Amino acid sequence: QVQLMQSGAAVKKPGSSVRVSCKASGETFNNYIVAWVRQAPGQGLEWMGRISPVIEASNFAPKFGGRLTITADSHTKTIFLELSSLTSEDTAIYYCATEGKGRFLQYLLAWGQGTLVTVSS
Amino acid sequence: DIQMTQSPSSLSASVGDRVTITCQASQDIGKYLSWYQQKPGKVPNLLIYDASTLETGVPSRFSGSGSGTHFSLTISSLQPEDVATYYCHHYNHLPPAFGQGTKLLIK
Repeated sequence: QVQLMQSGAAVKKPGSSVRVSCKASGETFNNYIVAWVRQAPGQGLEWMGRISPVIEASNFAPKFGGRLTITADSHTKTIFLELSSLTSEDTAIYYCATEGKGRFLQYLLAWGQGTLVTVSS
Repeated sequence: DIQMTQSPSSLSASVGDRVTITCQASQDIGKYLSWYQQKPGKVPNLLIYDASTLETGVPSRFSGSGSGTHFSLTISSLQPEDVATYYCHHYNHLPPAFGQGTKLLIK
């Protein structure tokens, strides 16, 4: 099973962008689809988007419009989330997670440890 | 988009009690429903997928049922370590979505 290790906490100014990384180890990286989920302080889980590294195809939740980019570097086995035009409402813990296999869209099997992004002036 | 509604939002029960959390989808999602446990300050952990399949390593006191639009998670005998927030999650089609969570406390 894949293990996921995320980058460290970040503090960003409103209007700026943040890039969070998620490095995979263990099984073959390209076998898995990786999703991003976030959790605002004291709130529930929110699905943001996903990427298939092998075909470099991604899907996004409509609410993020063009602010969200998800990319993959197969050489380093790393997935990147980039969110632009940050506001205080983007303050959250961001998790990457692998999907189970066998179907186009699956449950979330293994999770990274989370990355706290704080947006503050 | 499909909306997922959990109930109750919170509950308090005694050790040994049978506890049931429900999740309703705004549209038919077949069996494509999973449940996660998130203990305070921890990462969510997969309990059940495909509505009723127990993930490897999850205690057998956890079970899931349902299909279509109505689902439930049951803990047959509540243990102190089950204090957590529980989330349902549909993955029938894009975009997937989570319920708002059910916070479970011990009396």
